[in-house]
Amino acid sequence: AQRVTQPEKLLSVFKGAPVELKCNYSYSGSPELFWYVQYSRQRLQLLLRHISRESIKGFTADLNKGETSFHLKKPFAQEEDSAMYYCALTDFGNEKLTFGTGTRLTIIP
Amino acid sequence: DVKVTQSSRYLVKRTGEKVFLECVQDMDHENMFWYRQDPGLGLRLIYFSYDVKMKEKGDIPEGYSVSREKKERFSLILESASTNQTSMYLCASSFGLAGGTDTQYFGPGTRLTVL
Repeated sequence: AQRVTQPEKLLSVFKGAPVELKCNYSYSGSPELFWYVQYSRQRLQLLLRHISRESIKGFTADLNKGETSFHLKKPFAQEEDSAMYYCALTDFGNEKLTFGTGTRLTIIP
Repeated sequence: DVKVTQSSRYLVKRTGEKVFLECVQDMDHENMFWYRQDPGLGLRLIYFSYDVKMKEKGDIPEGYSVSREKKERFSLILESASTNQTSMYLCASSFGLAGGTDTQYFGPGTRLTVL
């Protein structure tokens, strides 16, 4: 069975400091990993996916198959990054996602 | 812009009532999903539909059923609501890529309270 673990329920970071939201997964197939974000009073939306290898809003995430991790990073936090972040996993080509429990990120001004 | 709408933002029902949650998408997406979102538990998939009249159980289907009679509409049904079904319900849709996993687009959510 596939599983996604986000060990931090809450994370507070000062503005301008680096951010790292942790995501570990357990899956033996060919995983596709995603980060979804929900800003206050907005819908849940895709932030980035590992296949795209792109940086969105200054965030990046690298899939590390050896450590089975897909941590989300940003070098300098901004106040508008405060949100709920979910890591999600699926088998390549499968439409069903398994979500982690989420991390609420708060940026302290 | 993909638009996923849900029939109600807030709903209050009594134990034992039959509850219908409606979701409509306007982008001709093949796939539609129902999740519930609970603090500390994240999003959990209830049911998934990949075509009209087709459905698959998710991780927590007990106590729920679904209906997809038209491509754009996916309904979640609580046959006999119970207090442990108090939650935020999110609908999502995706196009359905061949050989890939498409982005899921979410609705605003329905906060259901069962008294």
